[in-house]
Amino acid sequence: ETGVTQSPTHLIKTRGQQVTLRCSSQSGHNTVSWYQQALGQGPQFIFQYYREEENGRGNFPPRFSGLQFPNYSSELNVNALELDDSALYLCASSIKVGTGAEKLFFGSGTQLSVL
Amino acid sequence: AQSVTQLGSHVSVSEGALVLLRCNYSSSVPPYLFWYVQYPNQGLQLLLKYTSAATLVKGINGFEAEFKKSETSFHLTKPSAHMSDAAEYFCAVSNSGGSNYKLTFGKGTLLTVNP
Repeated sequence: ETGVTQSPTHLIKTRGQQVTLRCSSQSGHNTVSWYQQALGQGPQFIFQYYREEENGRGNFPPRFSGLQFPNYSSELNVNALELDDSALYLCASSIKVGTGAEKLFFGSGTQLSVL
Repeated sequence: AQSVTQLGSHVSVSEGALVLLRCNYSSSVPPYLFWYVQYPNQGLQLLLKYTSAATLVKGINGFEAEFKKSETSFHLTKPSAHMSDAAEYFCAVSNSGGSNYKLTFGKGTLLTVNP
């Protein structure tokens, strides 16, 4: 049990639609990262939020956006869904204190299917 | 840029046999290195991490990994496999363990343990 909860667990959308995925982190975790894991691949970094501001982004287009809230919850929003967006989306939270490789706590993910 | 190559997408061992999962990395700066395990329908769980301290890193569940700079490798081993070790294993690298922490994962190695 990591203390990180993602919802929904599964989601089916059609191409062109918009989707919001949610993540609830452990209390006190001021950093949340989102990863996309396509079938048969390792997770790919989408972006990270620290204290409610984007703090680093991977090679994903602007139609991938996020929000982090003061209550340790966060959202990943994807606009204009494409078939290739079908994947497992993982959120990971951590406590950032100074520098160093803090431990990430991963949720079980949301499986998104785009038809 | 940083990257990870995991040699062998599928490794099969007998129960009680040595587990060896291979990982080579590329990083322009001294890296942080990680091994994660993913069980079906679950998120990622940290097994161990290298953060420039001891080159031999011990993790949970009897796993360990050795950082070899000259070979740019970080192979994962376990002396005796258990049935419960069957899962997918991901090697990951980060060279930005400070304010812009993001992991680059390999494609994963599926470990099968035969009775």
